[in-house]
Amino acid sequence: GEEVAQTPKHLVRGEGQKAKLYCAPIKGHSYVFWYQQVLKNEFKFLISFQNENVFDETGMPKERFSAKCLPNSPCSLEIQATKLEDSAVYFCASSQMAGGQNIQYFGAGTRLSVL
Amino acid sequence: EDQVTQSPEALRLQEGESSSLNCSYTVSGLRGLFWYRQDPGKGPEFLFTLYSAGEEKEKERLKATLTKKESFLHITAPKPEDSATYLCAVQAPGANNLFFGTGTRLTVIP
Repeated sequence: GEEVAQTPKHLVRGEGQKAKLYCAPIKGHSYVFWYQQVLKNEFKFLISFQNENVFDETGMPKERFSAKCLPNSPCSLEIQATKLEDSAVYFCASSQMAGGQNIQYFGAGTRLSVL
Repeated sequence: EDQVTQSPEALRLQEGESSSLNCSYTVSGLRGLFWYRQDPGKGPEFLFTLYSAGEEKEKERLKATLTKKESFLHITAPKPEDSATYLCAVQAPGANNLFFGTGTRLTVIP
């Protein structure tokens, strides 16, 4: 597609429940990034993929968070046993990384509310 | 530690009143500085990328400039539709992810 598609737009979970977010990158883009946006516009990098391989996971919490990008499927970010502090907007971005230029195009985000 | 600081935090302008937003950074070996616009409830929308000091880019009423320590986003004769949060982000050496500032919330009053 011509834009990064994220689903669902809004996800409500009780504390301790699992949450799974999906991202379809722009067709032809080989890099996918996940960011978490909390209050005051603070963006936190979580993980990036080059095709189906993890490229950089330095921002991923060691426990409860996992992510995948499998061939012919949307990428996913899964949070096991959600906590109140996981409430945030999760953005996915994709990049073609052509000619060394890392222009990242963002989806509309998934708002996760943990109650 | 790499840091990106944007100022002011919020800015209110009358329609037609030009101004500048600032993004200062402390990244050694900058690989790129990016400006995005974010509207409420939406994802960041790419505006510009700058790679070296002295570089300038323009798009409609917006112009971005870059020095070795900071970038400015100049808004000339803004319109109400320019109201949004403007985010600055940097790419550090050895990384592909972007490190964001906390943005400037711009409101243009008719």
